[in-house]
Amino acid sequence: EAGVTQFPSHSVIEKGQTVTLRCDPISGHDNLYWYRRVMGKEIKFLLHFVKESKQDESGMPNNRFLAERTGGTYSTLKVQPAELEDSGVYFCASSQGKGRADTGELFFGEGSRLTVL
Amino acid sequence: GQQVMQIPQYQHVQEGEDFTTYCNSSTTLSNIQWYKQRPGGHPVFLIQLVKSGEVKKQKRLTFQFGEAKKNSSLHITATQTTDVGTYFCAGNGYSWGKLQFGAGTQVVVTP
Repeated sequence: EAGVTQFPSHSVIEKGQTVTLRCDPISGHDNLYWYRRVMGKEIKFLLHFVKESKQDESGMPNNRFLAERTGGTYSTLKVQPAELEDSGVYFCASSQGKGRADTGELFFGEGSRLTVL
Repeated sequence: GQQVMQIPQYQHVQEGEDFTTYCNSSTTLSNIQWYKQRPGGHPVFLIQLVKSGEVKKQKRLTFQFGEAKKNSSLHITATQTTDVGTYFCAGNGYSWGKLQFGAGTQVVVTP
């Protein structure tokens, strides 16, 4: 069974440019999460999809970040325009967890490393 | 906001020694999970603790959930070089609906 896949693995862009990250969750997982880790700090929650609906987007830094999950399958995270502080590793994770207080085990992708120059 | 604090941030261990990493939450958790991220890799699920005072073991790893369900610990005995990596705790609050990760404990093992 394929795991969570993310693309690209590494992206280097200049400040002001646009980048789109893609995540394909494990088939059948309704829950899809985006997290970000910046320079050895905590893995910070960005947002949570249940199927195609945004369940919680309280972690999105600002309106330069746009996440979509059309059809409830793969998800994209677009950063436009990118700023220096957006650099970090963006992880996507999926889970089968049901219910608000039980996300269940998260299966992480390999991450997309974003470097903004 | 809710926070999950983890200490120490960095742990340098001699091979064969034991060490413990601690996790504390500002609020009561419904459950807590632990993940390990190897250098250059991605977080991989280790275990989930749900019950107050719960203790679970995986070979040389012992996980504990506090009685008040606000803290947790991971104890590794007889550390090996394969234990190198960053260990994250992640708490699930009753009203959060999402896992909040700690900053992780980066473990370096000296042969």
